[in-house]
Amino acid sequence: AQKITQTQPGMFVQEKEAVTLDCTYDTSDPSYGLFWYKQPSSGEMIFLIYQGSYDQQNATEGRYSLNFQKARKSANLVISASQLGDSAMYFCAMRVKGNNRLAFGKGNQVVVIP
Amino acid sequence: GAVVSQHPSRVICKSGTSVKIECRSLDFQATTMFWYRQFPKQSLMLMATSNEGSKATYEQGVEKDKFLINHASLTLSTLTVTSAHPEDSSFYICSARLAYSTDTQYFGPGTRLTVL
Repeated sequence: AQKITQTQPGMFVQEKEAVTLDCTYDTSDPSYGLFWYKQPSSGEMIFLIYQGSYDQQNATEGRYSLNFQKARKSANLVISASQLGDSAMYFCAMRVKGNNRLAFGKGNQVVVIP
Repeated sequence: GAVVSQHPSRVICKSGTSVKIECRSLDFQATTMFWYRQFPKQSLMLMATSNEGSKATYEQGVEKDKFLINHASLTLSTLTVTSAHPEDSSFYICSARLAYSTDTQYFGPGTRLTVL
């Protein structure tokens, strides 16, 4: 079974600074995809970034980058130059190929302070 | 692109009534949609996978007769909470999978259900 672990407590980040959100995963399947979603207080889940298990390079999407360390089974999200609008819950998720299910971690709460 | 809408965004109903929630993919066709439930300060819990033209696949512990799912077209799935009770109060969120790419799931804005 897939398992996603996010254990960091809530984080306060100074505006314009970078923040790293930890995510580790566990699967025996060699083919999988890793996702990060943002959930602001309004509730919508916003897709941020995707990393495939066979991707050679770390994924980047604007201010978001994914530090993918396959051997350590970690897929940390880095948000550069934090903005007040980045305050939200951030969820790491994994989908194993051939399986419909998207397994979510428990989420990281981020509060950006001016 | 990849916009998913959900209606209604909020609903308050009396115990014993049924509530229908719609999930639409606005700019793409989704053969598969997913329904999740989220309790306050918790992660998303997959309830069921909805496949166009066939029966939904429910997760263990989810009552299929209580949470009726219909995926009548490639852009619409509905979740009906039948005979709702206060314990059904929750945030329900759907997603649609954009196939043949990274299989990313795009989520709707969610529906907050309160059963009195």
